[in-house]
Amino acid sequence: DAGVTQSPTHLIKTRGQQVTLRCSPKSGHDTVSWYQQALGQGPQFIFQYYEEEERQRGNFPDRFSGHQFPNYSSELNVNALLLGDSALYLCASSSRLEGVYEQYFGPGTRLTVT
Amino acid sequence: LAKTTQPISMDSYEGQEVNITCSHNNIATNDYITWYQQFPSQGPRFIIQGYKTKVTNEVASLFIPADRKSSTLSLPRVSLSDTAVYYCLVGEFYGGSQGNLIFGKGTKLSVKP
Repeated sequence: DAGVTQSPTHLIKTRGQQVTLRCSPKSGHDTVSWYQQALGQGPQFIFQYYEEEERQRGNFPDRFSGHQFPNYSSELNVNALLLGDSALYLCASSSRLEGVYEQYFGPGTRLTVT
Repeated sequence: LAKTTQPISMDSYEGQEVNITCSHNNIATNDYITWYQQFPSQGPRFIIQGYKTKVTNEVASLFIPADRKSSTLSLPRVSLSDTAVYYCLVGEFYGGSQGNLIFGKGTKLSVKP
């Protein structure tokens, strides 16, 4: 049973460009959350998707947007990239049916903006 | 979500028991306490979750006093592979809630031979 997978593993973009990151949740999970982790910091919550809708959002600008597909996979889009967007982007999946709330994290996508 | 405070770093030696304490003075009645572990360049991994008293699994134990204003993660007989950052989180963590996770800077545990 595959866990959470993310693609690509690494990405280098230039300021002003746009980027799309992809995530496939753990089998049986219906909720996907995205986090941004800067070097030396804990992960910061971006937003969460359930039933193809954004349900919660952290303190991130509108340049950050997402989508969830019928198969529960998800995309994170970032427009007009800034140098400060360089970070590890983590996807986590979970299930509303599980009694213990545990988010399963993927390995992340390392984004470098030059 | 209740704010948490934990030590920035800790050092230990192989074979020792490590206890990491987290303070959460403003914990709410519905809040659970959860600990995650993160290795460099990997996503965090769930370790343990509890509400009160003591919880134990194959990896760690979690001790929560009656007032729930703090908690202690206990790692028995650590090895070099336990070197990681450990995060304490507090929130309404149960299946139907799906709250987002608020991470602090965590505790960087270094295990030496």
